[in-house]
Amino acid sequence: DQQVKQNSPSLSVQEGRISILNCDYTNSMFDYFLWYKKYPAEGPTFLISISSIKDKNEDGRFTVFLNKSAKHLSLHIVPSQPGDSAVYFCAASALLAGANSKLTFGKGITLSVRP
Amino acid sequence: DAEITQSPRHKITETGRQVTLACHQTWNHNNMFWYRQDLGHGLRLIHYSYGVQDTNKGEVSDGYSVSRSNTEDLPLTLESAASSQTSVYFCASSEASGLDTQYFGPGTRLTVL
Repeated sequence: DQQVKQNSPSLSVQEGRISILNCDYTNSMFDYFLWYKKYPAEGPTFLISISSIKDKNEDGRFTVFLNKSAKHLSLHIVPSQPGDSAVYFCAASALLAGANSKLTFGKGITLSVRP
Repeated sequence: DAEITQSPRHKITETGRQVTLACHQTWNHNNMFWYRQDLGHGLRLIHYSYGVQDTNKGEVSDGYSVSRSNTEDLPLTLESAASSQTSVYFCASSEASGLDTQYFGPGTRLTVL
């Protein structure tokens, strides 16, 4: 039973437009959420995170929104650039439950930004 | 600069052989993790450690073992390699605080024939 779901396996957007990557979770104990970016033949790299006490966190072109009641988060990239083309993983942790950095990952979304 | 390395980067082995994948980090992080990445499954946790002499099973631990004899290293051993263990393996580390992000190594592509 997958606790972190990224239901769309791929997304293609035009350069300069907004990319919206969605993620749903089922475990109500999750209270910390992260997005990782992965290029081919490299390890994932941390992109942005959000704690459950917030509903939005912004870092440059990247914004993560959290809707706790819907158990849904989304990553917005504005404007999208060709270098953003990568696989994006959503991850969650249950810190207050003592998970201590243990993350549960989704399957990933492949983003393609067309020039 | 501090880093996390994995070796080998590529490995081909035969069914039934024992294989050990190395992971070494110079961040001095207490927490270390092993994942495997497979198409359609994303990243799945195999084993993890919160410090020296501490090891814990993840969601896909069958057929794998780890040991933590020092802070820097967490080798992953496949006791008897199976074709189902063909995958890309990633090691990661983080500090003790839960809010600290995990830093990943470059990965090891393992093929079991």
